[in-house]
Amino acid sequence: EDQVTQSPEALRLQEGESSSLNCSYTVSGLRGLFWYRQDPGKGPEFLFTLYSAGEEKEKERLKATLTKKESFLHITAPKPEDSATYLCAVQAHTGGFKTIFGAGTRLFVKA
Amino acid sequence: NAGVTQTPKFQVLKTGQSMTLQCAQDMNHNSMYWYRQDPGMGLRLIYYSASEGTTDKGEVPNGYNVSRLNKREFSLRLESAAPSQTSVYFCAITANYNEQFFGPGTRLTVL
Repeated sequence: EDQVTQSPEALRLQEGESSSLNCSYTVSGLRGLFWYRQDPGKGPEFLFTLYSAGEEKEKERLKATLTKKESFLHITAPKPEDSATYLCAVQAHTGGFKTIFGAGTRLFVKA
Repeated sequence: NAGVTQTPKFQVLKTGQSMTLQCAQDMNHNSMYWYRQDPGMGLRLIYYSASEGTTDKGEVPNGYNVSRLNKREFSLRLESAAPSQTSVYFCAITANYNEQFFGPGTRLTVL
C-alpha cells in the first residue's frame, strides 16, 4: 500500500536556525514526489516536484532532496514568514492520477 | 484568472440535511479532485474526475456523490450529512506536470 509519513509533526525554530523536515514514503513505482506549503485557513500551495533519487530543487530558503525512500525539505535561515504547514505527497506510476498525502509538519519560526 | 474557486466558504448543517459544494476552474485542465482534510490525517481523496464525463471513487467516497458538469465544474454532494463529515473540503486540479492547484476550501460543520 502506498504510504507517506512526515516527521516531526511540529517543529519550532528561532529565526535563522536552519533545520530539515522529513518525508518517508513507500510507493510501487514513484512517478513524482511533491512538496506543498499550507497557510492557516488556505488551500495547499505547490512548491516542488521531484522525480528521481538524487534530484534537488531550490526556492529561496527552501531546498528539497530525494532518495529512494525519503525526501527532505531543508530550510536555511528561516524567517517568521516561513511559518506554515508543509505537506509531502507522492504519485505512483500505477495509481493513475491519485496523489497520496502525508499529514504534514507544522513549522513555527519565532523572531 | 481566479484558478480554482469554491463555494461556499463556510457551511453549518444539521444531521440529515443535504448540500452541494461547488468547484470551478479556469485553468483548462482535465483532472479535478475533491479532498477532505481532518486534523492529523492529511488530505484524503473523496472522488476525482480524469476528464469531462468521467468520475471515480477515491479513498473515502461513502456518503458523497459527485457530478462533473462540464470541463470547468466539479460538484460534491452530501445527500444526508453526518457529524463524521465535519471537515474542510478542498477541490483541486492537476496541471501539466502532475502538480496540483487547490481552491481555498469549504469549512463544513455538521451538528
